[in-house]
Amino acid sequence: GQNIDQPTEMTATEGAIVQINCTYQTSGFNGLFWYQQHAGEAPTFLSYNVLDGLEEKGRFSSFLSRSKGYSYLLLKELQMKDSASYLCAVRGDNYGQNFVFGPGTRLSVLP
Amino acid sequence: NAGVTQTPKFRVLKTGQSMTLLCAQDMNHEYMYWYRQDPGMGLRLIHYSVGEGTTAKGEVPDGYNVSRLKKQNFLLGLESAAPSQTSVYFCASAMGYTEAFFGQGTRLTVV
Repeated sequence: GQNIDQPTEMTATEGAIVQINCTYQTSGFNGLFWYQQHAGEAPTFLSYNVLDGLEEKGRFSSFLSRSKGYSYLLLKELQMKDSASYLCAVRGDNYGQNFVFGPGTRLSVLP
Repeated sequence: NAGVTQTPKFRVLKTGQSMTLLCAQDMNHEYMYWYRQDPGMGLRLIHYSVGEGTTAKGEVPDGYNVSRLKKQNFLLGLESAAPSQTSVYFCASAMGYTEAFFGQGTRLTVV
């Protein structure tokens, strides 16, 4: 079967660093994607990993270990506007290379 | 650059009524997807298309139909709406091995 797990909620302080973990079991693997979704809005793309290792994009970094079925999203220098849900997704082989999404992690950034 | 456009943004239906949601993309993407998003369940795939004239069922297709007569458009139909179809619907498009781009979403309530 296909399964993606991530914590339901996290809280962090403005200016801090937070790591959001994601574990997955999917049919086929064509990349691990992270999306940000503010309440009432569409998901927007943050990062993409297809090879093991760390990808850095400004304040956001994402790590992938394919052998462990594990990824994390690292957010540095947190800002209030980072309060949102973060969705982990794996693009598999089924259903037209469908993106299989985890339930999302709701991050609250406190002053 | 419009990206992915969904219409309508909001709709209230009575049980048994029908409607069509329209998704249009201007990025010449081959893959298009319809998802529904419900609290605590993440995004679930309803139907997908891998090219003009092709459609296929996803994870939760019952009660929905789709058509892709033109490459840029992907329509989702509800023939006889039920309260269980109350949800937020997202359309997405992608090329192979790249991220998906999402429309703004349609908030549907069936009473």
